Amino acid sequence: NAGVTQTPKFQVLKTGQSMTLQCAQDMNHEYMSWYRQDPGMGLRLIHYSVGAGITDQGEVPNGYNVSRSTTEDFPLRLLSAAPSQTSVYFCASSLANEQFFGPGTRLTVL
Amino acid sequence: AQKVTQAQTEISVVEKEDVTLDCVYETRDTTYYLFWYKQPPSGELVFLIRRNSFDEQNEISGRYSWNFQKSTSSFNFTITASQVVDSAVYFCALSEALYNNNDMRFGAGTRLTVKP
Repeated sequence: NAGVTQTPKFQVLKTGQSMTLQCAQDMNHEYMSWYRQDPGMGLRLIHYSVGAGITDQGEVPNGYNVSRSTTEDFPLRLLSAAPSQTSVYFCASSLANEQFFGPGTRLTVL
Repeated sequence: AQKVTQAQTEISVVEKEDVTLDCVYETRDTTYYLFWYKQPPSGELVFLIRRNSFDEQNEISGRYSWNFQKSTSSFNFTITASQVVDSAVYFCALSEALYNNNDMRFGAGTRLTVKP
């Protein structure tokens, strides 16, 4: 099993650009989440999904969209990037209250 | 609302010292789960332990031990005889959901530096 994979590992955007962070898992987990990690603030939940076709907002959803068309994939979209979205993004899938995290995507918005 | 506080921002110790990382949580639920994760300099998040609210038994795993006290809403983590490889940021987290932890809340983390 590859576990949770994320692409890209690094990304630099200009303000106003859009992009999609990819996340995939091969463990057949129903639950998937996106977090952002900022210095001194731990991880904060952006969006989550309890299964294919079902998504919901987390603690900091503004500026981000998600969709869940399959169990395996849970992409995160930035429609118009802002410098405040500079962060490290982690995707996770979970089973029985244990979260499996991807390696993270470091995003810089100039 | 749930909240996790890790009051220690940074800790520095010398190798072989024991070190305790503090975690205090707030929740209204009687059923909840507590976690510790390690984030080494490479950046990945490594799961260390999960404890449910009905199990106050302390746990030991090698040099790691956890002290869960509901009376003080604390879930502290002790590393015995620390090693340089223990240098990392450690996160405590709380989830109030029984079957999924999409509402997991993390503390701000404690950066541990172990010097040789």
